[in-house]
Amino acid sequence: GQQVMQIPQYQHVQEGEDFTTYCNSSTTLSNIQWYKQRPGGHPVFLIQLVKSGEVKKQKRLTFQFGEAKKNSSLHITATQTTDVGTYFCSKNNFNKFYFGSGTKLNVKP
Amino acid sequence: NAGVTQTPKFQVLKTGQSMTLQCAQDMNHEYMSWYRQDPGMGLRLIHYSVGAGITDQGEVPNGYNVSRSTTEDFPLRLLSAAPSQTSVYFCASSYSLLSSGQGAFGDYGYTFGSGTRLTVV
Repeated sequence: GQQVMQIPQYQHVQEGEDFTTYCNSSTTLSNIQWYKQRPGGHPVFLIQLVKSGEVKKQKRLTFQFGEAKKNSSLHITATQTTDVGTYFCSKNNFNKFYFGSGTKLNVKP
Repeated sequence: NAGVTQTPKFQVLKTGQSMTLQCAQDMNHEYMSWYRQDPGMGLRLIHYSVGAGITDQGEVPNGYNVSRSTTEDFPLRLLSAAPSQTSVYFCASSYSLLSSGQGAFGDYGYTFGSGTRLTVV
C-alpha cells in the first residue's frame, strides 16, 4: 500500500530509559517527516529529513534517514514523562501525505 | 495568528444526517488537507487541495466532499452520515511543495487543527 510501516506499535519504558521507533517503506522516499501527538491532542510537526543518511538532533531526540532512503528512526535518550504520546512518521507521494500507524510511548515515572 | 481553526470540536449526528466540518487557516498556506484518525489506524487522508479551486481525493474519500473557494477555507461535507464515519477529523495546512524549496514543505511540515470528534449513531 501507500503507507509507511511503523514499529513497535506500543512501547512502555521507565523514565530515564531510551526509546526508539522505526519507520519503513518499500519504496524510496523523497523525504520523511516526524510528528508527535500528545494524548487527546493533535499531531505537531517535529522535523523533516531529506538527504540520504541524514541525522538531525533536537535536544534528546535524534532523527535518522537511512542511506537507501527507505527507512527512518526516532531515538529519544533518557525519556521523561513529557515524552508521552504517539509518534508518527509521514511520507509524501505526489502531493499526498501518508502517515504511519504510529508508536504509542508510555513513560512510567 | 490563530493557525488552523476547526469547528465544531464535538458533534453527534444521526445516521443519514448531513453536516459540514469547518476548517480555516490564516497563514496563507496553499496546501490543505483532511484526515480521519481511528484507533490503531493512524491518520488517513480523505481529501486534499494544493490551492484555491483545486481539490483531489486521498485514501478514503467515499462519503465526503470538499471545496476550496478561498485560500483560507477548506470545509469537509458529510452528505449522509454513517456509523463508519465516527472518528476524529483533523484539518491540516502547509506551504505548497512548489514554494517551499528543497523537499516537501521546506522545514515547516503540516500545521494541524485541534480536531473534530464526530459520533454517528
